[in-house]
Amino acid sequence: NAGVTQTPKFRVLKTGQSMTLLCAQDMNHEYMYWYRQDPGMGLRLIHYSVGEGTTAKGEVPDGYNVSRLKKQNFLLGLESAAPSQTSVYFCASSLWANVLTFGAGSRLTVL
Amino acid sequence: GQQLNQSPQSMFIQEGEDVSMNCTSSSIFNTWLWYKQDPGEGPVLLIALYKAGELTSNGRLTAQFGITRKDSFLNISASIPSDVGIYFCAGQLNQGAQKLVFGQGTRLTINP
Repeated sequence: NAGVTQTPKFRVLKTGQSMTLLCAQDMNHEYMYWYRQDPGMGLRLIHYSVGEGTTAKGEVPDGYNVSRLKKQNFLLGLESAAPSQTSVYFCASSLWANVLTFGAGSRLTVL
Repeated sequence: GQQLNQSPQSMFIQEGEDVSMNCTSSSIFNTWLWYKQDPGEGPVLLIALYKAGELTSNGRLTAQFGITRKDSFLNISASIPSDVGIYFCAGQLNQGAQKLVFGQGTRLTINP
């Protein structure tokens, strides 16, 4: 049972490049979330989904897009990366929007 | 948006000491959760609390759902080196809430 898997684990981008982070869960969870974690800032919600085909904005959605075409996958896209998007990104999933299972994180550096 | 005030922000203790941290809010929460994040890893659920006044233990960890539903506490007894990490509280405002509110975290450092 893999739980929540994030790929890639590490990525370095140049300013203006685009990329997609993939989150996959095998627990048949309805809810999926993307957070970013910066030093001293805790976890900040970027976007989330309450089911296949749905997405909603969190507290820091600007500069990111998401898609949930399949229930088990939640993609986070950066269309034009900026240095301010250097962060560690965590995906999480949940059955009832309370007990979250987190992935191991994806560390992104934008030069 | 909603905020959880978690304190202390950091703790430096000796191995074997007990640890206490708490989370408070001006809002009433339906569920309280405590997570631990090891260095370089994602947060992992420690304890979930569903009822006001509930006291739940997980080994050396004990957490309580405050009677006012506006706060929660986590205690760690007889700390050991593997307790090092960041502890997050999180709350769900009501059963229909689609996302959690997270505290800023308490960073625990242990001197052997």
